[in-house]
Amino acid sequence: KAGVTQTPRYLIKTRGQQVTLSCSPISGHRSVSWYQQTPGQGLQFLFEYFSETQRNKGNFPGRFSGRQFSNSRSEMNVSTLELGDSALYLCASSPATTSYNEQFFGPGTRLTVL
Amino acid sequence: SQQGEEDPQALSIQEGENATMNCSYKTSINNLQWYRQNSGRGLVHLILIRSNEREKHSGRLRVTLDTSKKSSSLLITASRAADTASYFCATASGGSYIPTFGRGTSLIVHP
Repeated sequence: KAGVTQTPRYLIKTRGQQVTLSCSPISGHRSVSWYQQTPGQGLQFLFEYFSETQRNKGNFPGRFSGRQFSNSRSEMNVSTLELGDSALYLCASSPATTSYNEQFFGPGTRLTVL
Repeated sequence: SQQGEEDPQALSIQEGENATMNCSYKTSINNLQWYRQNSGRGLVHLILIRSNEREKHSGRLRVTLDTSKKSSSLLITASRAADTASYFCATASGGSYIPTFGRGTSLIVHP
């Protein structure tokens, strides 16, 4: 099976702009989670989608949003970018239904905000 | 906030030596996992240990869990230069299965 893919791999934006990141999960996986990784805060959970519904949400402002499509592909959007949004954004998929399963991570999208 | 905290933050060893990393956490957990991340890339799942298990092995990896001390350790035996990476522990607790990650241990294995 193909692994989790994320596009684009690198992105440079300026403050105030918005950005959309895309994640294609492993075929058959219905859960997609997003994480932000920075040197200062480490890996922080953003949100999880399952069957097109946001099932869990981390402690991030409303500028961070996401969605999942019927084919399980997911996008996350960050509006009104701030310098502090510069980070590696990781997507992970899992076949999880009601109990925990291993998460499979994509290579990440490196976002730089200037 | 992080649930698990790895120790040490950085570890430098020679190829062939064993590497031990520790993870401490604060609240009761359902399971604990270890992940590896090569420089600036995605995470790779290494091993999951459930709260009712004490030890698990996978190849050169050995994970122990001591729920009374709220701690876990990851042992990599006969390390290789390719083991150079950051290692994270992640815990799931309460009714949530979403893992919370620690800040990681940076391991450098010198050839």
